[in-house]
Amino acid sequence: GAVVSQHPSWVICKSGTSVKIECRSLDFQATTMFWYRQFPKQSLMLMATSNEGSKATYEQGVEKDKFLINHASLTLSTLTVTSAHPEDSSFYICSARPGRDSNEQFFGPGTRLTVL
Amino acid sequence: DAKTTQPPSMDCAEGRAANLPCNHSTISGNEYVYWYRQIHSQGPQYIIHGLKNNETNEMASLIITEDRKSSTLILPHATLRDTAVYYCIVRVYNQGGKLIFGQGTELSVKP
Repeated sequence: GAVVSQHPSWVICKSGTSVKIECRSLDFQATTMFWYRQFPKQSLMLMATSNEGSKATYEQGVEKDKFLINHASLTLSTLTVTSAHPEDSSFYICSARPGRDSNEQFFGPGTRLTVL
Repeated sequence: DAKTTQPPSMDCAEGRAANLPCNHSTISGNEYVYWYRQIHSQGPQYIIHGLKNNETNEMASLIITEDRKSSTLILPHATLRDTAVYYCIVRVYNQGGKLIFGQGTELSVKP
């Protein structure tokens, strides 16, 4: 089956610093990738949709200047949390869709971010 | 996309069938029912999807009522490794790709 990886799997950073999370589709090309955030004991919340070669589309209430998304290639999307604060501590999960007409979506293992 | 309602939690004995219900009374004619599950601290895993006919794969069976207002995911022989949060999602097939997750059902399989 299709595999999506995320790096790092966990990261601890100081308040005010920026953190970059990578999402890679390992054995397929993903024209669309999605970024989700999940707080403890809560469901996944869609943050943004990332299309290769174009600007990401952010969900309502998600600050695009704080959560920078880049989808520069068909196998890589990055999420940068800028000026991170403790309230940004969360589980960040990406998913990838192979092809614009594909109905399938494959999820990465998630990245645990802790901001001190 | 239509909203879904699921019980927050369920228990199931190991080896028995786990039947997870989902209500989607406002589902549209072109919306499919999808099931994903999330084992603790992992990414969601696709289980099965269907439109109106019952579906079965190696993981589970999906039973959709004739009026399509509800469905049931069946894990025929639950194991401890099936302990997870199960999400029922309805969305239009092949459109946009967004998956909007509800609160899901936390299934605990007990020995």
